[in-house]
Amino acid sequence: EPEVTQTPSHQVTQMGQEVILRCVPISNHLYFYWYRQILGQKVEFLVSFYNNEISEKSEIFDDQFSVERPDGSNFTLKIRSTKLEDSAMYFCASTRQGVLETQYFGPGTRLLVL
Amino acid sequence: GQQVMQIPQYQHVQEGEDFTTYCNSSTTLSNIQWYKQRPGGHPVFLIQLVKSGEVKKQKRLTFQFGEAKKNSSLHITATQTTDVGTYFCAGPKGYALNFGKGTSLLVTP
Repeated sequence: EPEVTQTPSHQVTQMGQEVILRCVPISNHLYFYWYRQILGQKVEFLVSFYNNEISEKSEIFDDQFSVERPDGSNFTLKIRSTKLEDSAMYFCASTRQGVLETQYFGPGTRLLVL
Repeated sequence: GQQVMQIPQYQHVQEGEDFTTYCNSSTTLSNIQWYKQRPGGHPVFLIQLVKSGEVKKQKRLTFQFGEAKKNSSLHITATQTTDVGTYFCAGPKGYALNFGKGTSLLVTP
């Protein structure tokens, strides 16, 4: 069964450093999402992306965050200058045709900012 | 804005007991989705409910969508240790999926 993959599985970085989290969505999916989950808390929406544009972003997704689909398979989340409070699990998800469909989540990247 | 609330936050049951989690939205939902997240894992889709009053079953799991399409429930009959995890409901909000805080289920053998 096709699945969403994410790399790296874990990332440790110093505060103020840039990080790029990578995702490969399911190949025939058109909508891509990033979520984050602070330890023990709920899954929070960050951004949705379709047709090479951001469809929607939450208030968490400020100027420090950006997303890109640099080629036909990868979908990346960049955090320009990490803060301690960015420490969380970051999940990528994809759907075939939009948010009303099943979201397939990747295994996540655990980001720790020191 | 839309808020999705879930109760209880935690539930600890003995294996074989039933379990129910309730989800309420502040706004009417076009659909509601349920996900399960095992400890250390990622959310995994369980089901989507679309119609008012809809009831769907998956083996020991029964999902209901309220008549007003603002609330939903997940009921597990005769829990097993494999049911351990956090159960989230989620409703679409624009191009986003708005998750509830989840109910963490612990099942003791």
